Amino acid sequence: DVVMTQSPLSLPVTLGQPASISCRSSQSLVNSDGNTYLNWFQQRPGQSPRRLIYKVSNRDSGVPDRFSGSGSGTDFTLKISRVEAEDVGLYYCMQGTQWPWTFGQGTKVEIK
Amino acid sequence: EVSLVESGEGFVQPGGSLRLSCAASGFTFSSHVMHWVRQAPGKGLESVSAISTNGDRTYYADSVKGRFTISRDNSKNTLYLQMGSLRSEDMAVYYCAREGSRGSLDPWGQGTLVTVSS
Repeated sequence: DVVMTQSPLSLPVTLGQPASISCRSSQSLVNSDGNTYLNWFQQRPGQSPRRLIYKVSNRDSGVPDRFSGSGSGTDFTLKISRVEAEDVGLYYCMQGTQWPWTFGQGTKVEIK
Repeated sequence: EVSLVESGEGFVQPGGSLRLSCAASGFTFSSHVMHWVRQAPGKGLESVSAISTNGDRTYYADSVKGRFTISRDNSKNTLYLQMGSLRSEDMAVYYCAREGSRGSLDPWGQGTLVTVSS
């Protein structure tokens, strides 16, 4: 299975400051079709996961533009340009290139 | 509006069985691969199973292979997960999710809790 490793696992951030989460995969996520199926999800307390980013850098409709995704191959990053109170929660990367699809351990974003 | 609603929440003893359902609406159910993902209490997310659009191909995590069966009824817009030989480590919130675009899950249902305990 592809192992997804996130860091940090806990991320205290000051309101209005940037935040960055790293996600590394144990093998390349480039699919035979040329696409890289790396996703980012947000899970607010008590809620289901919500997709923020798909195929590395494509932001879902309704997702604020302060969220951005980047990376390639085995190394990916989710950035929040200016953290707001509503961004508190868990963030997961997930690869959809190879079954079983696998998730990172999750990064808890909290306000300092 | 696209919606996924799970049901079948229950308390089961180890070794028991339970069937989960996921009712879909707001999209053409028969055109999408569907997934089950679980989250143990206080833990991360784990892919459990997936099924092709017409049900002819199924995929399972090694941890549930041989014990769980995924199926779908496209005439009823419903996804199922039949769980057997349940273990304490199967205790989790189970989410159904649509593979809206290849390699991704969107949206997710609200989840249904499976408790396995003696």
